[in-house]
Amino acid sequence: QKEVEQNSGPLSVPEGAIASLNCTYSDRGSQSFFWYRQYSGKSPELIMSIYSNGDKEDGRFTAQLNKASQYVSLLIRDSQPSDSATYLCAGGPRFYSSASKIIFGSGTRLSIRP
Amino acid sequence: DAGVTQSPTHLIKTRGQQVTLRCSPKSGHDTVSWYQQALGQGPQFIFQYYEEEERQRGNFPDRFSGHQFPNYSSELNVNALLLGDSALYLCASRSRQAMQETQYFGPGTRLLVL
Repeated sequence: QKEVEQNSGPLSVPEGAIASLNCTYSDRGSQSFFWYRQYSGKSPELIMSIYSNGDKEDGRFTAQLNKASQYVSLLIRDSQPSDSATYLCAGGPRFYSSASKIIFGSGTRLSIRP
Repeated sequence: DAGVTQSPTHLIKTRGQQVTLRCSPKSGHDTVSWYQQALGQGPQFIFQYYEEEERQRGNFPDRFSGHQFPNYSSELNVNALLLGDSALYLCASRSRQAMQETQYFGPGTRLLVL
């Protein structure tokens, strides 16, 4: 069983709509969660981090965490063509540890259609 | 503020050869992690260095080894290259002082093994 699971997509969303990306995790020790955006041929770019249950908003992005259900999601409002990318969900411990590691899902490919 | 840098950007090797990849962490960061990302997959954790020691390792064979220098920069060495080692190799850095687990990626080194 993969520690962090995502639907690989592709997820196709019309421009201006809300894109909803989901992620589940199996390790209850994971307390920090991250969403990275990765354009084709580029490295992952951190867009959101979330540590507590509930919602966290940053501009057009909202991350949601439900630790009881071991579920993380990312909502992108007013989707733009520039949002077309692969979105990686990752999980790790709450605070820094030199022996900890951050584990990634396989990513969801998002395509925003005009 | 310099971000994470990696060299070289691209590399072509043949089976059986050895390769060394280099990474300089973001200014102020002291912990370096290496990931392998095959096409269409999420980053897979290779290992992590802090205070010049390997602190955590993923499910990779001993052909993969690393080093961290006193200035926090790091190297990834891969011996006896296989075709399956072709991938994007990502370096990520974070800071023990920051206490959070947030890490930032370099641009990556794309390795092709023929």
